[in-house]
Amino acid sequence: AQSVTQLGSHVSVSEGALVLLRCNYSSSVPPYLFWYVQYPNQGLQLLLKYTSAATLVKGINGFEAEFKKSETSFHLTKPSAHMRDAAEYFCAVSLSNDYKLSFGAGTTVTVRA
Amino acid sequence: GAVVSQHPSWVICKSGTSVKIECRSLDFQATTMFWYRQFPKQSLMLMATSNEGSKATYEQGVEKDKFLINHASLTLSTLTVTSAHPEDSSFYICSARVRTSGRAELTDTQYFGPGTRLTVL
Repeated sequence: AQSVTQLGSHVSVSEGALVLLRCNYSSSVPPYLFWYVQYPNQGLQLLLKYTSAATLVKGINGFEAEFKKSETSFHLTKPSAHMRDAAEYFCAVSLSNDYKLSFGAGTTVTVRA
Repeated sequence: GAVVSQHPSWVICKSGTSVKIECRSLDFQATTMFWYRQFPKQSLMLMATSNEGSKATYEQGVEKDKFLINHASLTLSTLTVTSAHPEDSSFYICSARVRTSGRAELTDTQYFGPGTRLTVL
């Protein structure tokens, strides 16, 4: 079975500062990894995904994530935070053959002016 | 991208009634649709996997007779909460996996609907 752990349930950053959200995964086979963002009372929007191609993945809204097999990590970063980045972020993992997603607990990002 | 809609966006019902939630893929055919529920301040929990033309597969602990899923076409899946009770109040979210696409960025990915807020009085 696969799972993900998101370190830190809440991250607060200043506008313009680096955003770093941590995600570690557990999988018996090479995983597919995803980051999704959720705004209040809305569904999830895909930020980026890793599916065994390039280890550094660029997504929407200036986010990127790096797959590190040796560290079983898939941390999400953005060089400069905007107020609109305030939201809930979920890391998720799936196996290629069933596409079921297992989600982390989520990290709430707040951005200070 | 791929767009998924849900209807209704919110519903309030009395205890004991049934509620149907629709999930549609608007600009693609979905091989598989998934149903999740999310409690406040919590993550998404997969309830069931729905394939067009076949019975849904439910996750452990999810009552299939209470949460009826019908996947009538490659673009529509419905979730019916039967005899709803206050503890069924939650945010229900569906997702759909793209069937086939010439755009690699769309495959192997679930696209989520906007969610349905169910409140049972």
